[in-house]
Amino acid sequence: EILLTQSPGTLSLSPGERATLSCRVSEGISSSHLAWYQQRPGQAPRLVIYAASSRATGIPDRFSGSGSGTDFTLSISRLEPEDFAVYYCQQYGGSPPWTFGQGTQVEIK
Amino acid sequence: EVQLVESGGGLVKPGGSLRLSCAASGFSLSRLSVNWVRQAPGKGLEWVASISSRSSYIYYTDSVKGRFTVSRDDAKNSVYLQMNSLRAEDSAVYYCATTSPFIYYAMDVWGQGTTVTVSS
Repeated sequence: EILLTQSPGTLSLSPGERATLSCRVSEGISSSHLAWYQQRPGQAPRLVIYAASSRATGIPDRFSGSGSGTDFTLSISRLEPEDFAVYYCQQYGGSPPWTFGQGTQVEIK
Repeated sequence: EVQLVESGGGLVKPGGSLRLSCAASGFSLSRLSVNWVRQAPGKGLEWVASISSRSSYIYYTDSVKGRFTVSRDDAKNSVYLQMNSLRAEDSAVYYCATTSPFIYYAMDVWGQGTTVTVSS
């Protein structure tokens, strides 16, 4: 089973600041098979980034994804109030199980 | 409007059964794979099961193999999760989510979730 480790667990930032979230994968995967999801309290997850760096429909360009192999990053250039949420990375390539990281909470400082 | 709606959750005793439904509106499920993902209270996301188009491929996470069965009825534009021999650790919000080859099989459309509570 491929394990995903996200860091930090919690990121405390102010609106307007830049957020950088990390996702480390236990074995190398194709960039095509790494996604990021946003989950606000009481809501379902929402796809933010797919294939490591492609923004999903309706996602503003302040969100960007990068990385390859075992190290991937989600960046939010200037935090807006609606961006404070939990973010999960997920790998979905090859054979199941298709695993999620444990999540990074981006909270208002 | 494109949406998925889950139903069928509830309170069930350990060892009991539930059948969850995931109904699509505004689009057809027939050519899409559908996943079930669960989230225990205060915890992260866990992939549970997947069913491909035409039910060609069906996969489960190890902890539910032999207890859960995923199926689909394209005529009803719906996917189902039959859950038997339920355990306390199966308590969670269950989401269905579609994947599309156009976005490299990431999960792009999600339902709002249905809550399953397993308790005596």
